[in-house]
Amino acid sequence: GENVEQHPSTLSVQEGDSAVIKCTYSDSASNYFPWYKQELGKRPQLIIDIRSNVGEKKDQRIAVTLNKTAKHFSLHITETQPEDSAVYFCAASGGGSNYKLTFGKGTLLTVNP
Amino acid sequence: GAGVSQSPRYKVAKRGQDVALRCDPISGHVSLFWYQQALGQGPEFLTYFQNEAQLDKSGLPSDRFFAERPEGSVSTLKIQRTQQEDSAVYLCASSLVTLGGYEQYFGPGTRLTVT
Repeated sequence: GENVEQHPSTLSVQEGDSAVIKCTYSDSASNYFPWYKQELGKRPQLIIDIRSNVGEKKDQRIAVTLNKTAKHFSLHITETQPEDSAVYFCAASGGGSNYKLTFGKGTLLTVNP
Repeated sequence: GAGVSQSPRYKVAKRGQDVALRCDPISGHVSLFWYQQALGQGPEFLTYFQNEAQLDKSGLPSDRFFAERPEGSVSTLKIQRTQQEDSAVYLCASSLVTLGGYEQYFGPGTRLTVT
């Protein structure tokens, strides 16, 4: 089955700096890669996703890049703000009939004011 | 509109007790998923329903775990004879379509503590 590795496990940045979180996946058939943000005690919420026919996607201060050959994808947050502090999870799924998400272990991002 | 809701939000059970966790998906969502999230970990897939049909239960950790969605909307995850290792947050998610590659909307979870 799919295996998703996520690094780093913790990340501390100063407000206004950029943050980068990286994930690798094992199943070359995976073709959908969402990123979820989870605040303490809250539900995971989708912040951005990318499909394998696209190399990069951007939404305001958040961007995701995908390298299918290397089987890795990354989340980039620019101009970080204290409200960006949360746990971020990457995930992968195969699409089609392979609907279940396999998650990484998460990255605790702390943005210091 | 209303999102995915789950009840109870918190459940404390003594070892050996049975528990039932409820999920109300977004209205009209065909797909429903259950995930288990241990402390400090990412969610792990338990089971998947397409309408009332349970198409995948490969993630259920033992035969003590049972899920149903009899009318294709509300779902219940039941754990019999709870053990300490069952302590976790149980997340429900729903999706509008039956295919993968589309957003799954998560509920707030039920935090189960087995003492």
